[in-house]
Amino acid sequence: EPEVTQTPSHQVTQMGQEVILRCVPISNHLYFYWYRQILGQKVEFLVSFYNNEISEKSEIFDDQFSVERPDGSNFTLKIRSTKLEDSAMYFCASSADRYYNEQFFGPGTRLTVL
Amino acid sequence: AQTVTQSQPEMSVQEAETVTLSCTYDTSESDYYLFWYKQPPSRQMILVIRQEAYKQQNATENRFSVNFQKAAKSFSLKISDSQLGDAAMYFCAYRSSGRQGGSEKLVFGKGTKLTVNP
Repeated sequence: EPEVTQTPSHQVTQMGQEVILRCVPISNHLYFYWYRQILGQKVEFLVSFYNNEISEKSEIFDDQFSVERPDGSNFTLKIRSTKLEDSAMYFCASSADRYYNEQFFGPGTRLTVL
Repeated sequence: AQTVTQSQPEMSVQEAETVTLSCTYDTSESDYYLFWYKQPPSRQMILVIRQEAYKQQNATENRFSVNFQKAAKSFSLKISDSQLGDAAMYFCAYRSSGRQGGSEKLVFGKGTKLTVNP
């Protein structure tokens, strides 16, 4: 069964460093998402991406964040200058359409900022 | 803005018994989807069941069923004949249907940790 994959599973970085979190969505999906979950808190929406551009973003997704689909398979989330409060689990998701079909989630990347 | 509330941070159930997880939500939309996702220790979020708000019939998937009360904005998950493999975090989530516009994002509750005792 096709699945969303994410790498790495755990990333440790120093405050102020740039990180890139990688995701491979399901191959025939067109809509891509990033969510994050700070320990003990809700899963929160960050951004949605379709047709090589952002379709929606939350207030969390400020200028420090960017997303890219550099080739036909990868979908990345970049944090330019990490802060302590960026420590969280980051989930990638993909869907075949915008509303009707389910969003399939990857296993997540745990980001720890020291 | 839509909100989802799960009032039970933790629940436990004996193997083979039935457990119900609660979820309430708030929205001004009339057309939307509701979901229950399961997150086992492996961390992969897996869709358990989905309900379309315009459907009056409660969704059922094998041992999993929901009690959808649209007027009360309540969406509980019932797990029958609980199995050890059901142990996980369970998240209730909301999404607009898109028929009236609305966001495509999922709005999650904080989750309920379910323990299944042998």
